[in-house]
Amino acid sequence: GAVVSQHPSWVICKSGTSVKIECRSLDFQATTMFWYRQFPKQSLMLMATSNEGSKATYEQGVEKDKFLINHASLTLSTLTVTSAHPEDSSFYICSAIAGGVETQYFGPGTRLLVL
Amino acid sequence: GDSVTQMEGPVTLSEEAFLTINCTYTATGYPSLFWYVQYPGEGLQLLLKATKADDKGSNKGFEATYRKETTSFHLEKGSVQVSDSAVYFCALSEPSSASKIIFGSGTRLSIRP
Repeated sequence: GAVVSQHPSWVICKSGTSVKIECRSLDFQATTMFWYRQFPKQSLMLMATSNEGSKATYEQGVEKDKFLINHASLTLSTLTVTSAHPEDSSFYICSAIAGGVETQYFGPGTRLLVL
Repeated sequence: GDSVTQMEGPVTLSEEAFLTINCTYTATGYPSLFWYVQYPGEGLQLLLKATKADDKGSNKGFEATYRKETTSFHLEKGSVQVSDSAVYFCALSEPSSASKIIFGSGTRLSIRP
């Protein structure tokens, strides 16, 4: 099946620094990628949808200047958490769709801890 | 808005036990319903789905029936194995926005040998 990877799998950073998380589709071209956030014992919450070559569409309540999303190629999307604060600590998960297919393929997630 | 509620875990069972993980939903339309599974260190995988009332989704011995009257989509398996240990997510998507998935909070399942 289709494989999506994320890097890094976990990251610890100091408050005020920026962190970049990569999401790659390894064996298919992803026309659309999604970024989710999951707090402990809570649902995955969709943060934004990105289409290759265009600006991301953010869900209500998600700060686009805080969470920068770039989908520059059909196999790579990046999420940059800018000026991270402890409340940004969470589990970030990406998923991808191949063109014309409804099924989302999920990455294994990235755990971010901001000290 | 739409939402999914599933039983809190963790759920711990012995091998060959019967499994039920409850899931109920709230939706304005007629959603598609899903169960996803996440094995340790891996991404979420679609386990099964149902797209209309009374449909039964099944895969790997797991089953779930779309019950519109009770707005439920409970996951069942007759005899669990150690390899079924994972986190299970119930989810829905509306036809109007099929790519937007709304997830439950997940239920961790641990199976003892």
